[in-house]
Amino acid sequence: DVKVTQSSRYLVKRTGEKVFLECVQDMDHENMFWYRQDPGLGLRLIYFSYDVKMKEKGDIPEGYSVSREKKERFSLILESASTNQTSMYLCASSPGRENTEAFFGQGTRLTVV
Amino acid sequence: SQKIEQNSEALNIQEGKTATLTCNYTNYSPAYLQWYRQDPGRGPVFLLLIRENEKEKRKERLKVTFDTTLKQSLFHITASQPADSATYLCALDMSSFNKFYFGSGTKLNVKP
Repeated sequence: DVKVTQSSRYLVKRTGEKVFLECVQDMDHENMFWYRQDPGLGLRLIYFSYDVKMKEKGDIPEGYSVSREKKERFSLILESASTNQTSMYLCASSPGRENTEAFFGQGTRLTVV
Repeated sequence: SQKIEQNSEALNIQEGKTATLTCNYTNYSPAYLQWYRQDPGRGPVFLLLIRENEKEKRKERLKVTFDTTLKQSLFHITASQPADSATYLCALDMSSFNKFYFGSGTKLNVKP
């Protein structure tokens, strides 16, 4: 059974902290994604990676960075957490071929206080 | 820039009726379009994919249409059940890399 696992289900961090959100997939997928989801705004793409060490910015990369040193792991980094980064963060992966779907993790609810 | 629009208002229907959800997009011609289901506090789960050369796709009680002229997809759930209550999202691949962008979703409430 395919699996995308996010390291934390709930996280509370202080303003200014550096925050790491980890995501691991066991399907040997090429592509991995980080989205944030806020009420009324839907899923917004933060960053996308199509290969190890390769990344592309999504719609809202400001305040975030990513790391993909190994194929199975994609990390989202909040350099200096702010209260407006309080959100649900969703990681996803896909095979990278056309006509294939994305598989999502269970999400991390991050609260920045 | 690309816009993917779904009705932000919740859709309330009676059990047994057909639910129809709409996804409209602009400024792009995707090769395919996908629909996902999301339950509260969970990640989205893939339901159906339809290609640009397919007018209609079915899976059990689900049906998706794709009109590339209107830039619109319709998602139907026939004989709806309370267990179908969830938020439904459409998604487009915006590049040759399988880079998915999502609409904001429509919440469906099926009342017994």
